[in-house]
Amino acid sequence: EAGVTQFPSHSVIEKGQTVTLRCDPISGHDNLYWYRRVMGKEIKFLLHFVKESKQDESGMPNNRFLAERTGGTYSTLKVQPAELEDSGVYFCASSQVGTGNTEAFFGQGTRLTVV
Amino acid sequence: EDQVTQSPEALRLQEGESSSLNCSYTVSGLRGLFWYRQDPGKGPEFLFTLYSAGEEKEKERLKATLTKKESFLHITAPKPEDSATYLCAPSGGNQGGKLIFGQGTELSVKP
Repeated sequence: EAGVTQFPSHSVIEKGQTVTLRCDPISGHDNLYWYRRVMGKEIKFLLHFVKESKQDESGMPNNRFLAERTGGTYSTLKVQPAELEDSGVYFCASSQVGTGNTEAFFGQGTRLTVV
Repeated sequence: EDQVTQSPEALRLQEGESSSLNCSYTVSGLRGLFWYRQDPGKGPEFLFTLYSAGEEKEKERLKATLTKKESFLHITAPKPEDSATYLCAPSGGNQGGKLIFGQGTELSVKP
């Protein structure tokens, strides 16, 4: 069974540009999460989808970040315009139905560098 | 406010030298506490879920335990391949499965 897949694995963009990250969760997983780790800090929650609906977006830093989940399958996270402080590793995770007590499986992450 | 503190930040062991990693947490209505292993350049890899105080789970050389305020990851006779960063992440009530991560403990096991 395929795991959580993220694309691209690395992205280097200039300040002010737009970047879109993609996540393909494990098939059949209704829960999809985005997390971010900035250098020297712990991994932090960004948002949570249940199928195509945003359940919790309390961790989104500001309105430059837009997440979508088309048809409850893959998800995209767009940063527009990117700022230097957006650099970090963005992780996607998915889990089965039921929340809070089912393990989440993570992708390998997308390393974003804004220069 | 929910908080998670892991200690030590880094741990160097000789092969075969057993030790424990600590995770102290303050989370309202704990639904589950998750341990992950992370290798450089990779995403966190699921190890264990603990649901209630007193629970223990084992996998090879690893054993995780849980109290109302702490979780421990015991490593018995570690091998170099156990070298990784170990992450503790509780999930609280009414939070939809959102994980609250600690900073992690970077474990290095020398042969």
